[in-house]
Amino acid sequence: EPEVTQTPSHQVTQMGQEVILRCVPISNHLYFYWYRQILGQKVEFLVSFYNNEISEKSEIFDDQFSVERPDGSNFTLKIRSTKLEDSAMYFCAKVDRGGNEQFFGPGTRLTVL
Amino acid sequence: AQTVTQSQPEMSVQEAETVTLSCTYDTSESNYYLFWYKQPPSRQMILVIRQEAYKQQNATENRFSVNFQKAAKSFSLKISDSQLGDTAMYFCAFMKLRVNAGNMLTFGGGTRLMVKP
Repeated sequence: EPEVTQTPSHQVTQMGQEVILRCVPISNHLYFYWYRQILGQKVEFLVSFYNNEISEKSEIFDDQFSVERPDGSNFTLKIRSTKLEDSAMYFCAKVDRGGNEQFFGPGTRLTVL
Repeated sequence: AQTVTQSQPEMSVQEAETVTLSCTYDTSESNYYLFWYKQPPSRQMILVIRQEAYKQQNATENRFSVNFQKAAKSFSLKISDSQLGDTAMYFCAFMKLRVNAGNMLTFGGGTRLMVKP
């Protein structure tokens, strides 16, 4: 299936700094998702993005988070003021043509110091 | 809200043997999908198998098969002829189907599988 790439693979930042995580789909898809996985814990849904708008978001996705598709291709997750507890793997996922299988990117490991 | 429970935090199996990972879920929905994802040490999430709730036939993908018991809300994964490369975390996931809306995944806590030579 078409690939999803994510950059950077690892981001280290200081608490209070802003970070932008990027997801780059190979082909054009309408639906994108962001998930988070704190080390040793389960994968948690953050937000879904459809046709350049947020479709659904979880209670984790508070005001410090935002998503954009600034140039019609890259899909970004911004964390405005990082906290220690934001340290996690962040996964971008896209759906296949049938819309019922989600394929994950390799993830970005975020470390907040 | 949906919940997904994996009651086995860790399991081990000898190479070439068969192992079954358990998953139960709780939902009031009738139209949904279930998935198993594999997460090797690289932490990449890899789709292993999916099951549509409306299908009675259990899904199969090569050495991987599921036992889907809808009434019991049970969705176990069987790995046959286990290989060393099967060593990974395995996550069960639920997806409610909605028309014209994002279909988020709800994950279980995972089962760490170790395949021993």
